[in-house]
Amino acid sequence: DSGVTQTPKHLITATGQRVTLRCSPRSGDLSVYWYQQSLDQGLQFLIQYYNGEERAKGNILERFSAQQFPDLHSELNLSSLELGDSALYFCASSVGDNLGNTIYFGEGSWLTVV
Amino acid sequence: AQKITQTQPGMFVQEKEAVTLDCTYDTSDQSYGLFWYKQPSSGEMIFLIYQGSYDEQNATEGRYSLNFQKARKSANLVISASQLGDSAMYFCAMRGRTDSWGKLQFGAGTQVVVTP
Repeated sequence: DSGVTQTPKHLITATGQRVTLRCSPRSGDLSVYWYQQSLDQGLQFLIQYYNGEERAKGNILERFSAQQFPDLHSELNLSSLELGDSALYFCASSVGDNLGNTIYFGEGSWLTVV
Repeated sequence: AQKITQTQPGMFVQEKEAVTLDCTYDTSDQSYGLFWYKQPSSGEMIFLIYQGSYDEQNATEGRYSLNFQKARKSANLVISASQLGDSAMYFCAMRGRTDSWGKLQFGAGTQVVVTP
């Protein structure tokens, strides 16, 4: 158990819908990351927050947004869903974003868009 | 741009044998970190081992060791005494200043199947 908690674990939704994925980082971790894993794209970095502020942005679509709240939990919002958004979405956390800070991943949220 | 290459898409290994998973990387950063993660069929991503670019000794964590050859830009993972529970996908990843410290760049992964 990495200590990173993600909900829901599985989600099936229809095209055009909106979903919210939730993440609680490990106790004491200030950095939260979101990654998407799909068969064709592999593991892709989406976005990082550090103590409530956006720190780095990757290949995140405009239909997607995220935020980190004062209690450090984070949410990833996916809207106008398309079939291609079906993927495993990981949240990860680390104590900081220094080079040697290990990034621990949650168990992921499996999203299926039908 | 940073790039991670894992050339072995899959491999079989017998129980109790050692296995080496290849990872090469490309970066212009002087400071960077290299990570290995394990992803079993259940999907979770499990951290295994870390090596910093300035670390003089190869990292070890239990049965996992990292064969770090900086000049060759390789960071191979060695699993000693393989167990059936080691069957999983293994990912090499790196982070460096160029893409921001926060981002992990992953390789395509190597599927390992341990046979009795």
